[in-house]
Amino acid sequence: AQTVTQSQPEMSVQEAETVTLSCTYDTSESDYYLFWYKQPPSRQMILVIRQEAYKQQNATENRFSVNFQKAAKSFSLKISDSQLGDAAMYFCAYSRRETSGSRLTFGEGTQLTVNP
Amino acid sequence: DGGITQSPKYLFRKEGQNVTLSCEQNLNHDAMYWYRQDPGQGLRLIYYSQIVNDFQKGDIAEGYSVSREKKESFPLTVTSAQKNPTAFYLCASSVSAAAYEKLFFGSGTQLSVL
Repeated sequence: AQTVTQSQPEMSVQEAETVTLSCTYDTSESDYYLFWYKQPPSRQMILVIRQEAYKQQNATENRFSVNFQKAAKSFSLKISDSQLGDAAMYFCAYSRRETSGSRLTFGEGTQLTVNP
Repeated sequence: DGGITQSPKYLFRKEGQNVTLSCEQNLNHDAMYWYRQDPGQGLRLIYYSQIVNDFQKGDIAEGYSVSREKKESFPLTVTSAQKNPTAFYLCASSVSAAAYEKLFFGSGTQLSVL
């Protein structure tokens, strides 16, 4: 079974600084997808960024980027120029390339605090 | 505005009672999902539906039931067989059930036992 581990239950960053959230996963598959979802205080989950395992290039979305190390099974999220609105719980998630059903496996989450 | 609506926001269940959580989407998405979130844990999949009149069990389906009679609606019933129902329940949808699809989430329902 696939597992996703986020080893940092809590992280903090100063506004305008950069922070990196860690995620590792365990799988025997070679083709899969990885995601970072954000859960703000409203508790409505929002997709931040996604990565296809067969793509070497790291995904980026504005201030958010990932460092995808396939051999190490590592998928970290870097937030640049942190803003107060970035404060949230961040979940790393994994999905196999299945033909039916979207079976996301989530990590335990990292609570990010942004200090003004 | 398009989105997913979950109701109620808070729900209380008495011993031996079945309760139903509502989930409606107007995004015209084929796939819908129910996740359970416990404190300090990630989301766990309860049930999912790829298309109307079809649904499959997720990782923790015991004590829950669902129906998908309309594309827009995917209600979740927490039965009396679910012995530890206190949790935050999130409904989600996606264009299709393919693995790469982005999930759109509702605002959730907090269920507590009286």
